[in-house]
Amino acid sequence: AQSVTQLDSHVSVSEGTPVLLRCNYSSSYSPSLFWYVQHPNKGLQLLLKYTSAATLVKGINGFEAEFKKSETSFHLTKPSAHMSDAAEYFCVVSDYNFNKFYFGSGTKLNVKP
Amino acid sequence: DTGVSQDPRHKITKRGQNVTFRCDPISEHNRLYWYRQTLGQGPEFLTYFQNEAQLEKSRLLSDRFSAERPKGSFSTLEIQRTEQGDSAMYLCASSLGVRSSVEQYFGPGTRLTVT
Repeated sequence: AQSVTQLDSHVSVSEGTPVLLRCNYSSSYSPSLFWYVQHPNKGLQLLLKYTSAATLVKGINGFEAEFKKSETSFHLTKPSAHMSDAAEYFCVVSDYNFNKFYFGSGTKLNVKP
Repeated sequence: DTGVSQDPRHKITKRGQNVTFRCDPISEHNRLYWYRQTLGQGPEFLTYFQNEAQLEKSRLLSDRFSAERPKGSFSTLEIQRTEQGDSAMYLCASSLGVRSSVEQYFGPGTRLTVT
């Protein structure tokens, strides 16, 4: 079975400092992984995806994530946080045929001025 | 707007009533998913359609829940005899379903409150 664990429920950073949101996955085969962002009262938006191509994936708004098979991790990073990055972030793994997607419990990112 | 739309956006109902939600996916997307999201949690998968065929159902989907996607276009999710535990945000998503474009596009959700 597939699952993801988001290691931090809340992360707080200062504007202009790096962001690291951690995600570990469990999968019985080579996984496809995604990060989504959910701003308050807004729909879920795809940030980036990994589907067995390059292990370093670049997404929108300066975010990127690195797939590390040896560590079963897919951490989300951004070099410099912006106030508009404050939101909840979800790590997601899909089953082999993309019939089911499994969301983590989410990480709320707070950005301090 | 060519995104995923959901109707209604909010629904308040009394326990024991039936409710139905509608989802209109992006027009060329053949895959459609329903999720439930409760406060402080990530979305939980409920069911998946490829065109008009319902191919996956979560064990979370009790007998009171039913979903349809007639003609492979819009979908409806019905909850019969609602319970307070059904209060949640119900999300719909669609995707193209080809390996180069497997990501899901989400609608704004329908927030259900059962009193």
